[in-house]
Amino acid sequence: QVQLQESGPGLVKPSETLSLTCAVSGYSISSGYYWGWIRQPPGKGLEWIGSIHHSGNTYYTPSLKSRVTISVDTSKNQFSLKLSSVTAADTAFYYCARHGGMSVTFHFDYWGRGTLATVSS
Amino acid sequence: QSVLTQPPSASGTPGQRVTFSCSGSNSNIGNNYIYWYQQLPGTAPKLLIYKNNQRPSGVPGRFSGSKSGTSVSLAISGLQSEDEADYYCATWDDSLSGWVFGGGTKLTVL
Repeated sequence: QVQLQESGPGLVKPSETLSLTCAVSGYSISSGYYWGWIRQPPGKGLEWIGSIHHSGNTYYTPSLKSRVTISVDTSKNQFSLKLSSVTAADTAFYYCARHGGMSVTFHFDYWGRGTLATVSS
Repeated sequence: QSVLTQPPSASGTPGQRVTFSCSGSNSNIGNNYIYWYQQLPGTAPKLLIYKNNQRPSGVPGRFSGSKSGTSVSLAISGLQSEDEADYYCATWDDSLSGWVFGGGTKLTVL
């Protein structure tokens, strides 16, 4: 059974960098698929942030591209998100998820439980 | 504003059939598979329909998806109280080279 678990600081100060990690179990990232981050401000809808393939190929949503870096560590079977220069608008539940299979356009099938990141001084 | 358009709310009584719409454009729905996710309160989204009309193992046959051009719909027949949740459509957008989600439809079971 594929499982994903997000971790990282729950509180980040404005202008600082939000860093989250997603640990994957039950599947080797090196075996394939894309690994993505999706966020959801409390009470609002879902927003895709970006995805990475085990090869290092990345896709980012245009509105966040200048502030986002997604990386993968195959030795630890985990991938990470860094979002710089955060503001209160970046307060959200952050989910990591697996998707793709044969194509980056294929569905997210396994999701983490999500972690709340709050931006506040 | 979301690239995919969904009505913000829907409602029905137990046993009824309800449908959810999701509209987009040629660069997203018109050229890619559509996916539907169910998000129960306080939980992560769960894949409900994939590749327009396929159900993952474990999803009841009461849930069905369809696609026509740049519009898609999700139907729930025999509505149950546990179906009360938020429903999101999602797909890849070729112009953006990224994933887009609808704003979500909140289903209330009366």
